[in-house]
Amino acid sequence: SYELTQPSSVSVSPGQTARITCSGDVLAKKYARWFQQKPGQAPVLVIYKDSERPSGIPERFSGSSSGTTVTLTISGAQVEDEADYYCYSAADKGVFGGGTKLTVL
Amino acid sequence: EVQLVESGGGLVQPGRSLRLSCTASGFTFGDYAMSWVRQAPGKGLEWVGFIRSKAYGGTTEYAASVKGRFTISRDDSKSIAYLQMNSLKTEDTAVYYCTRGSMDYWGQGTLVTVSS
Repeated sequence: SYELTQPSSVSVSPGQTARITCSGDVLAKKYARWFQQKPGQAPVLVIYKDSERPSGIPERFSGSSSGTTVTLTISGAQVEDEADYYCYSAADKGVFGGGTKLTVL
Repeated sequence: EVQLVESGGGLVQPGRSLRLSCTASGFTFGDYAMSWVRQAPGKGLEWVGFIRSKAYGGTTEYAASVKGRFTISRDDSKSIAYLQMNSLKTEDTAVYYCTRGSMDYWGQGTLVTVSS
């Protein structure tokens, strides 16, 4: 089995840049996706293939990859970006990171 | 418009079975793999498993925590994916989501509570 490690929490002020990392050996070989989940809602895909942004996702969301670490960057974070963020990757099986609570205040 | 609607959740006793359904619309269901993801109350997301499209053999993969107890299947003629859950345990209590392909679309989830 393999695992993905995220910080439990990140906090920024509105307008600042938020960076959330995700580390795991599988990321050296497989793409990562990032999901945003707000309370009481289903997750939403915000980044796929490490750095691709689905249509409808604001440009302030971006992703990058280096070795066994991927990073979700929110440039100019807004109050409405406050949510839990999960990374995900899959070899023969899928795995989610433990999630990061982003606070914007 | 792509829609995924889960159903079949509820309260079930430990050791019993339950079958969840995920009814899809708005896309060619048979062209996509379908996954199940769960979230225990107050916890993070957990990948449960997926079923490939028929073009890729329609085979399945499962998380170690459910392998041998859960079975994912699909009926492309009805655009439905199923999650058959047997020998349920209290730790299976969660909201269960179905997702399409690369997880670009999710259902609203259905709550499964395993308790005596």
